[in-house]
Amino acid sequence: KNEVEQSPQNLTAQEGEFITINCSYSVGISALHWLQQHPGGGIVSLFMLSSGKKKHGRLIATINIQEKHSSLHITASHPRDSAVYICAVSDRVTGNQFYFGTGTSLTVIP
Amino acid sequence: DGGITQSPKYLFRKEGQNVTLSCEQNLNHDAMYWYRQDPGQGLRLIYYSQIVNDFQKGDIAEGYSVSREKKESFPLTVTSAQKNPTAFYLCASSIAIRGEQYFGPGTRLTVT
Repeated sequence: KNEVEQSPQNLTAQEGEFITINCSYSVGISALHWLQQHPGGGIVSLFMLSSGKKKHGRLIATINIQEKHSSLHITASHPRDSAVYICAVSDRVTGNQFYFGTGTSLTVIP
Repeated sequence: DGGITQSPKYLFRKEGQNVTLSCEQNLNHDAMYWYRQDPGQGLRLIYYSQIVNDFQKGDIAEGYSVSREKKESFPLTVTSAQKNPTAFYLCASSIAIRGEQYFGPGTRLTVT
């Protein structure tokens, strides 16, 4: 049983396209995190959100607590956006349990 | 510059040997974590620590041990009891246990 499901697993886009990655979760959460993992393996935290919407540059993250769903959008995609995007949630009860999705591998072609 | 360092980036060991992975942070974070990443799977929590001299088992602690003698350091030992130690290991830290996590660059361990 996966507490966090992401879709799609793999995504290829042309440079400039608008991209959406989806995340659904089944547990009560205190926060949802979007992470970016580059081919070298290092992980960067993009967003931490518990309601509404956040924007950073060309990246937008939204969350619907009632539907237990979040989306990560990338506007005007660029080849440097190519990475694995991981959704993670922190458990509402304990706060110390994180559940991770398996990631969405994004390739942006010039 | 504040951040998390892990060393080495690549590590090779023979089966039956214990190996210790280093994780150091200068972010003044209280909480630190160790994760394991395998192909096609999400990150899985090995151990976490909320404060110095205290740590808790995660989902896959068997075959691993940790210590937290200093706030800045949270080394992970992969013992010979770990049946499938070859993996990518990531260390992370956060201000507090529910906070945004900052990740290190990872150590890729190969055991043959």
